[in-house]
Amino acid sequence: GQNIDQPTEMTATEGAIVQINCTYQTSGFNGLFWYQQHAGEAPTFLSYNVLDGLEEKGRFSSFLSRSKGYSYLLLKELQMKDSASYLCALYNFNKFYFGSGTKLNVKP
Amino acid sequence: GAGVSQSPSNKVTEKGKDVELRCDPISGHTALYWYRQSLGQGLEFLIYFQGNSAPDKSGLPSDRFSAERTGGSVSTLTIQRTQQEDSAVYLCASSLTRTDYGYTFGSGTRLTVV
Repeated sequence: GQNIDQPTEMTATEGAIVQINCTYQTSGFNGLFWYQQHAGEAPTFLSYNVLDGLEEKGRFSSFLSRSKGYSYLLLKELQMKDSASYLCALYNFNKFYFGSGTKLNVKP
Repeated sequence: GAGVSQSPSNKVTEKGKDVELRCDPISGHTALYWYRQSLGQGLEFLIYFQGNSAPDKSGLPSDRFSAERTGGSVSTLTIQRTQQEDSAVYLCASSLTRTDYGYTFGSGTRLTVV
């Protein structure tokens, strides 16, 4: 398996910055993806990394280090609507391997 | 359609009964995927279609599970003789081609086996 690990739950304050980490153990993959999933809704694509480094998309950034087996999703200027689960996923051979997700609670 | 549509959104069935879950992908998307999300678990790959054929069905948990796709469009996931451990949210996704990372997920069918 891919052994993808994420923290189960995190809490942060509105307006703050939060970093959600993802570690994995696999020999190779095409890309590492981050999805957002609000309760009862479909996962929606946030960001992905193919190469090592930082990808920035507005308030969301994602980082990948293949040599360290590590990625993180950085959320800036947190808003209440950012309360959701964040899914880390490896893409390889036409399918995704998902972590269990990190539930983020944003407090006023 | 504008998005991936799944029906029913909720299904409660008695143990031992058969169920059919339907997925209507985005028009023109040739690749279609089924995933399962059990409580507290990550999304688990079930099967992938390219057109009407299924090159990878390695994630189907048992021979009680089957899926088909017709006309390169609608797909049906069938679970025979349902068991309580089949209770989960079944998510469908589609993408333009098999190499397109841009999945669009449906909202899923929540299956409860009682």
